[in-house]
Amino acid sequence: DAGVIQSPRHEVTEMGQEVTLRCKPISGHNSLFWYRQTMMRGLELLIYFNNNVPIDDSGMPEDRFSAKMPNASFSTLKIQPSEPRDSAVYFCASSTLGTELQGYTFGSGTRLTVV
Amino acid sequence: DQQVKQNSPSLSVQEGRISILNCDYTNSMFDYFLWYKKYPAEGPTFLISISSIKDKNEDGRFTVFLNKSAKHLSLHIVPSQPGDSAVYFCAASGDGGSNYKLTFGKGTLLTVNP
Repeated sequence: DAGVIQSPRHEVTEMGQEVTLRCKPISGHNSLFWYRQTMMRGLELLIYFNNNVPIDDSGMPEDRFSAKMPNASFSTLKIQPSEPRDSAVYFCASSTLGTELQGYTFGSGTRLTVV
Repeated sequence: DQQVKQNSPSLSVQEGRISILNCDYTNSMFDYFLWYKKYPAEGPTFLISISSIKDKNEDGRFTVFLNKSAKHLSLHIVPSQPGDSAVYFCAASGDGGSNYKLTFGKGTLLTVNP
């Protein structure tokens, strides 16, 4: 099992550009999460999918952020247009609903720098 | 408004001694509490958890204690090893039935000195 796979590992982009982050969850997991980590706010949930359907997007900062899960093995987080304050590490995680005590499996993250 | 707080940004311990990491929470609706460990350039990895109906859970060198009346939990690592050096995050879930949503503390950097 390769775990949760995120790409790219690092992304440097100019303000105003579109950024797309990608995630492949663990096969068989039916829940997928996007988290963002910053110094100021720590780890915060952006959006949660269950069975490919967005269930909770209350953490998405603003309309510039969007996320999709077209199938059980792929999800994207898009920022358009990007701004310097979006610079952070973005983590994708997956789990099986009902296994709260077993925790999520996180990917290694994408470090985004917007200049 | 931080619902999960880790008030010690860092902790340094000698190899072989006990490490105690603390976490406080404000939301009495939380049902589950978890600890994650994170190495640099990696994602957090699940370490141990506890349900709110218990006060202790043990897994090898790691024990989590929960004091619901004080809204406090702690992670004990005995004995501490240099490989335990990492950032430790406390997390909680179950607020209003939202068991999927983890609320994280900001982490404590543990350094275990040889």
